[in-house]
Amino acid sequence: KNEVEQSPQNLTAQEGEFITINCSYSVGISALHWLQQHPGGGIVSLFMLSSGKKKHGRLIATINIQEKHSSLHITASHPRDSAVYICAVRNTGNQFYFGTGTSLTVIP
Amino acid sequence: DSGVTQTPKHLITATGQRVTLRCSPRSGDLSVYWYQQSLDQGLQFLIQYYNGEERAKGNILERFSAQQFPDLHSELNLSSLELGDSALYFCASSPTGNTIYFGEGSWLTVV
Repeated sequence: KNEVEQSPQNLTAQEGEFITINCSYSVGISALHWLQQHPGGGIVSLFMLSSGKKKHGRLIATINIQEKHSSLHITASHPRDSAVYICAVRNTGNQFYFGTGTSLTVIP
Repeated sequence: DSGVTQTPKHLITATGQRVTLRCSPRSGDLSVYWYQQSLDQGLQFLIQYYNGEERAKGNILERFSAQQFPDLHSELNLSSLELGDSALYFCASSPTGNTIYFGEGSWLTVV
């Protein structure tokens, strides 16, 4: 059983659509990270959350600690948002567990 | 540019060999993390160092070892290499408890 489950695995959207990616985890955490990985490999950390909600531009991340669930939302999606989005949790022992990623393709 | 530097970017080596991957964290970041990303296993956490001391250990094989030096750079040593060790190895650094910054990775191919 994976400690971190993401859905959907793959997502295709039309430019301008509102996108939601979900992440559920089963371990106690000190923080949850949303990562973005573009083709070619580079990884960028989008958000680090321990509670509540964060917003950066068109990206919004929320976390519900009681339900052990987080969502990443992209408003007004754009083809440059096409990437793999990975949910990662850090447990209280500083170990990381990763979801398998959501591959997003935004079509013009 | 994240400020995290990894070398080499690409490496091809034979089974049974030993390689060392090097990471220079962002200036001032005390934490260094190593991750492995393979096609079949996805992204996996290997190990974390904080100011020279091992802080957390993940799915790191006994054939692998790491260390962080006084100047805070880190090395990941992979020995007795097997075909299945072919992967992209990421290093990341962070100020304590904050956002993690990833290097561009080192592509290792074992043939």
